[in-house]
Formats: sequence, C-alpha cells, structure tokens
Amino acid sequence: AQSVTQLDSHVSVSEGTPVLLRCNYSSSYSPSLFWYVQHPNKGLQLLLKYTSAATLVKGINGFEAEFKKSETSFHLTKPSAHMSDAAEYFCVVSFTGTASKLTFGTGTRLQVTL
Amino acid sequence: DTAVSQTPKYLVTQMGNDKSIKCEQNLGHDTMYWYKQDSKKFLKIMFSYNNKELIINETVPNRFSPKSPDKAHLNLHINSLELGDSAVYFCASSQRRGTNTGELFFGEGSRLTVL
Repeated sequence: AQSVTQLDSHVSVSEGTPVLLRCNYSSSYSPSLFWYVQHPNKGLQLLLKYTSAATLVKGINGFEAEFKKSETSFHLTKPSAHMSDAAEYFCVVSFTGTASKLTFGTGTRLQVTL
Repeated sequence: DTAVSQTPKYLVTQMGNDKSIKCEQNLGHDTMYWYKQDSKKFLKIMFSYNNKELIINETVPNRFSPKSPDKAHLNLHINSLELGDSAVYFCASSQRRGTNTGELFFGEGSRLTVL
C-alpha cells in the first residue's frame, strides 16, 4: 500500500529556534515528494519538491528537506523559525506510474511563539 | 493578478439546494483539479480535467458534477446539498498531465457551509 504519514499533528516552537516537521512514506515505487504550506484562509503553496535528483532539497523561505530512502522519510527543517512561518504544512507524495494524483498527509500545524 | 481564482469564497446554503463554484486560471495550464478539504484539514482529490477532458473522477457522489467549458475554467456544480458536503473546496491547476512534477497552483478555496 502507498501512503504518507505526518508524525505530528501539531508542533510548537519559539521564534528563532529550529523547526522539524516529520514525514514518512511507504511505497513500492520511487516517489516524488513535496511539502506544501497553507496559511490561514489561503490556498496551498509549494515549499519544495524532491524528484530523484539531489536528496537535500532547498525551498522557499529558508526551508529544506532531506530525502532518506533507507528511512523512507522526508522531514522538513528550518534553522530558525519566524512568526510568519505559523501555518499548516502538508507532506505530499506522488508515486511513479500513477496518474497526476497526489496523496496528501494529514497536515502538521506549526505554531510559533515569542 | 490572481493565478487561480475561485468564486464565491464563502457560500452558506440550506440542505437540498443546488449550488455552483467557479474556478478560472490564467497560468496557461492544461490540467485543473477540484480538491475537498474537510474540517480536519484532510485534502482529497475529487476530479481532474486535462484540456477539458475528465481524467480523474474519484469516488464522489454523482450529485457533484464538474464542467470544463475550456482549459482555463473548471466549475463544480453540486445538487441536493447535504450536511456532509460542508467543507472547503479548492481548485488547482498544473502544467503537465500524468506526470509527477506535482506542483499544483491552488486557489484560495471556497468555504461551503450547509445548514
């Protein structure tokens, strides 16, 4: 079965501290992996994507993610959180051989406190 | 200039009514989608059109009928609305069909509340 799991539904960090949002996937195929961000009352926006090139992927707003095949993980990190990072983050998978259909994780709400 | 725009942004209606949500994209993309986001923020694809042709139709009640008059527009019509239809509906578009590029451009959502 193919699936994506976001391990934390809610993460709270202080401004200026590192952010770690965890994502694991299961797949028989080589996946493409993405992180999307959704700010309140807004649509989703692509943060970054992995499509079998470099395993460390840099995205917008200082975020990056590392694809680790041995751990089937694609965790999202940022060295220093900013108040404007508070949002819902979705790990998304697209599996090779499937149609243009993405499987979304259940989301992680990132809270940033002063 | 909004890339993917949906109207209306908010819609409150009674059970049993029929309503439509409209979506337009000015990105020149070939593929458009409707996603449903429930109260727990879970996103699920409903439909996908490529150049006005339906290519994905998930297990959605046939009360939901998408229509694509041209590749820049994808509308969603819902008949006989039920309480469980309350959700945020997102329109999205992408450049290439059937690939794993995965970059979708989303509208801001249409929040439907059925009373």
